Amino acid sequence: QVQLQESGPGLVKPSETLSLTCTVSGGSISWYYYWSWIRQPPGKGLEWIGYIYNDGYTKYNPSLKSRVTISVDTSQKQFSLKLNSVTAADTATYYCARDQGIEPAAFDMWGLGTMVTVSS
Amino acid sequence: QVVLTQSPSASASLGGSVKLTCTLSSGHSNNAIAWHQQQPEKGPRYLMRVNSDGSHSKGDGIPDRFSGSSSGAERYLTISSLRSEDEADYYCQTWGTGIRVFGGGTKVTVL
Repeated sequence: QVQLQESGPGLVKPSETLSLTCTVSGGSISWYYYWSWIRQPPGKGLEWIGYIYNDGYTKYNPSLKSRVTISVDTSQKQFSLKLNSVTAADTATYYCARDQGIEPAAFDMWGLGTMVTVSS
Repeated sequence: QVVLTQSPSASASLGGSVKLTCTLSSGHSNNAIAWHQQQPEKGPRYLMRVNSDGSHSKGDGIPDRFSGSSSGAERYLTISSLRSEDEADYYCQTWGTGIRVFGGGTKVTVL
């Protein structure tokens, strides 16, 4: 059974860079799936941030594209998110998820999520 | 770009049934969608995909009480024999040109 686990700091200062890692266990990160980051501000809905394929191909939400970088380390079975120049609006629970990659690109496995607060 | 529209809330009685709707924006009525459940204070869980022809395939361990269907640009999630643990937010999701899109979510209350 594939499991995903997010890790990273729970508190980030404004204007700094948010960095999170997702570790995949119970399966390969090199299969034909895509690997996505999704976030959810407190009391609000889900927002897709971006995805990466195991060859490093990425696609980002246009609204965040200028600040986001997603990378993958297949040897460690991890993929990572960096979001720079954060503000209070980036406070959210961040989830990593496995993306089936074929229509409708369903997120069929989710991590438990990690809460990140942006505050000085 | 594709937009998914969901009603903010729905309610039904314990043991009853509820049908949730996800509407695809113009030009995208053939898209398949996925449904996800998010119980209070928990992460989302994948329920199923629903195709434009009404066929659906569920995720591992999803009870038979959950079913999907389709009509035109609308995709449905029906929950039967409602239980208290079905009280949750339900999100539909699809893909656009290189992106992924969520609906705003429907909060289901079990009365």
